[in-house]
Amino acid sequence: GAVVSQHPSWVICKSGTSVKIECRSLDFQATTMFWYRQFPKQSLMLMATSNEGSKATYEQGVEKDKFLINHASLTLSTLTVTSAHPEDSSFYICSASLLQIGASSYNEQFFGPGTRLTVL
Amino acid sequence: LAKTTQPISMDSYEGQEVNITCSHNNIATNDYITWYQQFPSQGPRFIIQGYKTKVTNEVASLFIPADRKSSTLSLPRVSLSDTAVYYCPREEGNTGKLIFGQGTTLQVKP
Repeated sequence: GAVVSQHPSWVICKSGTSVKIECRSLDFQATTMFWYRQFPKQSLMLMATSNEGSKATYEQGVEKDKFLINHASLTLSTLTVTSAHPEDSSFYICSASLLQIGASSYNEQFFGPGTRLTVL
Repeated sequence: LAKTTQPISMDSYEGQEVNITCSHNNIATNDYITWYQQFPSQGPRFIIQGYKTKVTNEVASLFIPADRKSSTLSLPRVSLSDTAVYYCPREEGNTGKLIFGQGTTLQVKP
């Protein structure tokens, strides 16, 4: 199946600094990628939809100026957590959508391994 | 639209068959039903997908009734390594967005 990677796998930073997380689709092109956040013992929460060549679409309650998303190519989306604070510590997961064309077309999503962010 | 609903947790023993049911009350006509497995500190992993009736692959079976308002993931003979959280997210329209519910934490005991 298709592979999605994330870098870094974990990062520790000081409060007030910015952190960039990369999401790459390794063997397919993805016009759409998604960013999720997951706190301990909780489910995945969709943060935003990243579209190649256009602005990201953010879910309600997610600050677009704090979580900057750039989807500069068909294989790379980046999430930058600006001025990170301890409450931003979480597990960030991306996914990439691949359109499967057949008798019935549908979008199949492939998830990255996640990035653990710890803000001190 | 409501998220899908599933039991919060289930316990089983090695070698048993486990069935996890998900409610899809607001599923759209064109939506597929997909199940994912997640281990701690990892991204979700695709298990199986179907539209109606029964689908089987090397790891699981998926049963979907005619009204498609629910689905049942069946794991034939679980092992300790099947201990994980299982999700049946709802797809929002044709956007590709997946809306996750709380998932079912399956604990397999020796």
